Amino acid sequence: SQQGEEDPQALSIQEGENATMNCSYKTSINNLQWYRQNSGRGLVHLILIRSNEREKHSGRLRVTLDTSKKSSSLLITASRAADTASYFCQVGYDMRFGAGTRLTVKP
Amino acid sequence: DSGVTQTPKHLITATGQRVTLRCSPRSGDLSVYWYQQSLDQGLQFLIQYYNGEERAKGNILERFSAQQFPDLHSELNLSSLELGDSALYFCASSPQGRGNEKLFFGSGTQLSVL
Repeated sequence: SQQGEEDPQALSIQEGENATMNCSYKTSINNLQWYRQNSGRGLVHLILIRSNEREKHSGRLRVTLDTSKKSSSLLITASRAADTASYFCQVGYDMRFGAGTRLTVKP
Repeated sequence: DSGVTQTPKHLITATGQRVTLRCSPRSGDLSVYWYQQSLDQGLQFLIQYYNGEERAKGNILERFSAQQFPDLHSELNLSSLELGDSALYFCASSPQGRGNEKLFFGSGTQLSVL
């Protein structure tokens, strides 16, 4: 088993801009999930993408998965101050999380 | 509201003491997970239970132990506490404990060891 690693560690943007963060992993997987954590709160599930899917949308979220590069990206469009949070990926059957990407959206 | 309940929300204790954190999973979920989150260690997976049995073990110290009871609630016991054990402890649950399931997290227990 293996955990995903999020990149960048921190990202700061202005409200209305798009935010992109990435998750890389090392072995074959059957699915990948993204979670959000607001400061001091529990993680909240955002989206699951399966290995046979290349792209998935949920509201302002767009997730892509490139199994050949062993990476996934999470795009948040038209970001809002409320999107300020840490974002984590969970890879396959591994219960671990990486260090996350800390996103700050400035009003 | 995730449906996962953790108590207490805050706990302040002294070094060398023992504490018990409690978690009630979402109704119908059979699997419970424990995580520790601190500034220096990030979010660490400790242990997973499924229907009363230990299913996966992560970075859980020997001073820590957990169990899941027949009513599916779980307890995490932390003993001989050290300053470095100060952290936010999360419980999560999922229906079948499989890797392709969403995890539903509780709001955490903030442990301060003084």
